[in-house]
Amino acid sequence: AQKVTQAQTEISVVEKEDVTLDCVYETRDTTYYLFWYKQPPSGELVFLIRRNSFDEQNEISGRYSWNFQKSTSSFNFTITASQVVDSAVYFCALIPLIQGAQKLVFGQGTRLTINP
Amino acid sequence: DTAVSQTPKYLVTQMGNDKSIKCEQNLGHDTMYWYKQDSKKFLKIMFSYNNKELIINETVPNRFSPKSPDKAHLNLHINSLELGDSAVYFCASSQESLILAGDTDTQYFGPGTRLTVL
Repeated sequence: AQKVTQAQTEISVVEKEDVTLDCVYETRDTTYYLFWYKQPPSGELVFLIRRNSFDEQNEISGRYSWNFQKSTSSFNFTITASQVVDSAVYFCALIPLIQGAQKLVFGQGTRLTINP
Repeated sequence: DTAVSQTPKYLVTQMGNDKSIKCEQNLGHDTMYWYKQDSKKFLKIMFSYNNKELIINETVPNRFSPKSPDKAHLNLHINSLELGDSAVYFCASSQESLILAGDTDTQYFGPGTRLTVL
């Protein structure tokens, strides 16, 4: 069975601070994808990033960066110089790459509030 | 040019009624999904269809019946609505592939339908 844990339920920081959202996952599958989605106050789910289990390179996209470490089963997300528009609930998720089992297993979500 | 669309966005109804939520994707994907997000924001899959065929049914009550008339559409019909059905329902789609390449297997979500059962 797969499981994703986001231990931080809520985080609140002041604008321009850096913030890291933690994600720890469990799976017995050797091939899988990890994802981050953003859910802003408007409610939609926005895809941010996908990594596969064989690619442990860190990724940077503007102010966003992701640190994937198989040794600790973690896929953490860092926002640098946070902005008020980053306020949202962020979900980490996992899909094992098994035919016919393409269901996203989500973590509980981390509510991030960026205060001006 | 919305990729995944759902209607309606809001649905308020009485207990015991039957209602449907429609989902359409114009991404050319072969797999579609329904997820439920409860009041605590927890997201869980309900169903998955691949090329109009049911692939995943996550122990959802029989009152929920998905219907896929073609691979671009996946509708959700709910009979005899109960208070506990109040939630946000998200439709998603992806192109299934067992090859670690391209944009396959990334699920794109619709805007959600907030269902309130009174």
